Amino acid sequence: RKEVEQDPGPFNVPEGATVAFNCTYSNSASQSFFWYRQDCRKEPKLLMSVYSSGNEDGRFTAQLNRASQYISLLIRDSKLSDSATYLCVVNTYGNKLVFGAGTILRVKS
Amino acid sequence: GAVVSQHPSWVICKSGTSVKIECRSLDFQATTMFWYRQFPKQSLMLMATSNEGSKATYEQGVEKDKFLINHASLTLSTLTVTSAHPEDSSFYICSGGQGAADPYEQYFGPGTRLTVT
Repeated sequence: RKEVEQDPGPFNVPEGATVAFNCTYSNSASQSFFWYRQDCRKEPKLLMSVYSSGNEDGRFTAQLNRASQYISLLIRDSKLSDSATYLCVVNTYGNKLVFGAGTILRVKS
Repeated sequence: GAVVSQHPSWVICKSGTSVKIECRSLDFQATTMFWYRQFPKQSLMLMATSNEGSKATYEQGVEKDKFLINHASLTLSTLTVTSAHPEDSSFYICSGGQGAADPYEQYFGPGTRLTVT
């Protein structure tokens, strides 16, 4: 079983739609959680950290359920520029990050 | 702030040659640097972690004699792919961390695309 699992997609949505991505992690001792965004042939960029209480940054909302070892990302009012691969990332051992394979989002006009 | 550069951004080499990739933190001191590899349609896989002035710690399955890592200063780490083969063709990305100051935040370089013919 992979340490971090994501639905690879692709999710094809129209502009303005709301889309949700899910992620599960296997190590219950994981301490920190993140969503990164990666554009084609580029490095990953931090989108937001994920906290147990849930957190929001503009159109983006992240949730963490430690009991279920489940992380989610909700994007409201999708823009064309949101098209990218979204990576679920977990800190499991010391300062190491473990990346999921990513979920592809394609927003179409 | 927190900018990391990599050089070269892409390289094509012949099988059997060695390739060196440089990773520099431009505006912060990276006490720890991480090297990742990403094959098409796959996730980033951590290859090794290096702390300035110490030997790198390699992940299971990564050959330390093939992927030589040097972290001689707080702003520079290098990865040398020795005797490269076509299966080493990949996207290599480094990241820098500030260690205890913020143990989980990493700043990624733009990546180096290696093609071995």
